Formats: sequence, C-alpha cells, structure tokens
Amino acid sequence: QVQLVQSGAEVKKPGASVKVSCKASGYTFTDYYIYWVRQAPGQGPEWMGWINPNSGGTNYAQKFQGRVTMTRDTSITTAYMELSRLRSDDTAVYYCASHNPVYNAFDIWGQGTMVTVSS
Amino acid sequence: QSALTQPASVSGSPGQSITISCTGPSPDVGNYKFVSWYQQHPGKAPKLMIYDVSYRPSGVSNRFSGSKSGNTASLTISGLQAEDEADYYCSSYASSSTLNVVFGGGTKLTVL
Repeated sequence: QVQLVQSGAEVKKPGASVKVSCKASGYTFTDYYIYWVRQAPGQGPEWMGWINPNSGGTNYAQKFQGRVTMTRDTSITTAYMELSRLRSDDTAVYYCASHNPVYNAFDIWGQGTMVTVSS
Repeated sequence: QSALTQPASVSGSPGQSITISCTGPSPDVGNYKFVSWYQQHPGKAPKLMIYDVSYRPSGVSNRFSGSKSGNTASLTISGLQAEDEADYYCSSYASSSTLNVVFGGGTKLTVL
C-alpha cells in the first residue's frame, strides 16, 4: 500500500523548534520529490518547500528560508521537516506530499501533523 | 494571501452542476497546463481530483472535470452528491523551472 505516515501532534513554545517526520512505503522513495505544505486553521494550503530524496537537494519558499530545513534518510525512507524560531502564527497542520511527475501534482499525502505554538 | 483566487463558497442541490473558478496571474495559471484540483473533507488530507487542467487520476469519478481559459481554470462537478460537500483547492506551478507551487485560498462547496 502506497502511503506516507507522519509523526504525531506537537505543542511547542514560541522560539522553539519542531521536527516532523514523514515515512514513505509502498513505492521507491527516491523516485518522487517530497513537498511540505502547511495549512493554518481555516486557510488554504501553503507551500513550504521540497526535497529530492535521491540527491538530498532542497528548494524552500522564500517566506521560510532561514527557518526551515528539509532532510531525508533513505535507509528508512523517511523525510523530515524542521522549522525553527516558532511563532504563534506557525500553528497549523503540516503535510508531506509526494509529487508525481506524471501528474505534475500531489497524488499521495501524509495524514498531517498538527503543530501548536503557544506560551 | 493566496496567489490563486477562488470564490469563498459555492452551493448546489443534489443532481445539479456547479463550477469553481481559479484565477491567477500569468504565468502561474495562464501559461502553464499544470493546474490541479484537490478535494478536502474536514480533518482529512487533500485528495487529488484533477491534474494537468483536465485529467482525472484513476478512481476519480467522471462527474469531476476541469478546464482552463486564459488565466482562469475551472472545476465542474456534475450530478452533485452529498459526499461532494468539501473544500476544493486549485494549485499550479509558480515556476516550472524550480517546481515552486502555489495554492488557491479554497472554495467551500455546500450541497443543499
């Protein structure tokens, strides 16, 4: 079964960091870019960046540059997204999604990880 | 603020058809064929419904169709059913060279 399974919900204080994991199974992990997308309550999705699991190359949205780091561990087919210097407006559901180059779209999504930033 | 503009809400009765628009500045929507549409039920992850403007992934009902004219893409749902009630988001590449993407703000579909 093709799926992405993310780590559980997190509660963090302002200024802290959070690291979310995304484990892929059922397909060749290195074949498809992993994108990270977040969705604040009541808002549309917001693209954060992507990682090429094959090379480890990354591209971050300008808004998050300097605060986000995307990595992967091919031995355990897992991608990670770490966001630092958290603020209250970083409270959102964070999703990983597999980018299918045939579709030019995201056909596999993780279940989402709720990150709450509160003092 | 989302880069792609969608109406906040649309509604229709069972059996009717509705259309959701998605407007973006060229070249996001205008120059590329890589517009996709996602359906999202409350508390769930988005689900791909349409890719490359008008193609359906395997398993998606043929009641869902997509099109594009100029800088506006559209999602049409025909024969509305209760389970179609959800949020719908469009997406496109902001840059095909860097694979950066943008999303619309979303449209809440209510089936009356």
